[in-house]
Amino acid sequence: SQTIHQWPATLVQPVGSPLSLECTVEGTSNPNLYWYRQAAGRGLQLLFYSVGIGQISSEVPQNLSASRPQDRQFILSSKKLLLSDSGFYLCAWSLGVNEQFFGPGTRLTVL
Amino acid sequence: QKEVEQNSGPLSVPEGAIASLNCTYSDRGSQSFFWYRQYSGKSPELIMSIYSNGDKEDGRFTAQLNKASQYVSLLIRDSQPSDSATYLCAVLTGFQKLVFGTGTRLLVSP
Repeated sequence: SQTIHQWPATLVQPVGSPLSLECTVEGTSNPNLYWYRQAAGRGLQLLFYSVGIGQISSEVPQNLSASRPQDRQFILSSKKLLLSDSGFYLCAWSLGVNEQFFGPGTRLTVL
Repeated sequence: QKEVEQNSGPLSVPEGAIASLNCTYSDRGSQSFFWYRQYSGKSPELIMSIYSNGDKEDGRFTAQLNKASQYVSLLIRDSQPSDSATYLCAVLTGFQKLVFGTGTRLLVSP
């Protein structure tokens, strides 16, 4: 069966510091991968999606970036965090354009 | 108009009652519809998918789809306190993009 991992689970970072969140999927090949952010009391905002290695589409212009160095690995990065980057970051996978399955998430607090 | 709309709630129902959660969407080209359950502090969990008009039942859950009215609902029979969560409606639009509603918070009281 497929499983999706995210780490770290929680993170507290100062403004202006860098960020690297990692997501890996097991048990499937060539998945579509997604990064979402959920701010407190708000809906899911799609940040990036990828249909293959090195292929990244950005949904919202911001100070975040994403990379997919391997088929089942998706990384979310920032060079300098802003207060507004705080939120619950969720990685998801799907096979084709179909239902998406979410990882456990990373709760990021920027102080 | 939002692409996917849900009442934020909370929807309060007593234990054992039927909870009815509703969702409307704007893109008539939408083909696939999903319900996710999200417990506080946790990630969303897929509980139902529906692709054609009518009802789809899975245990205590029934998803209902009416494409003409652009309306999808989720019924939870014999509601339990453990069903208390936020329920997210998601719609795969004609542009092949999965759009989420902001969710309805359900509270089931013992």
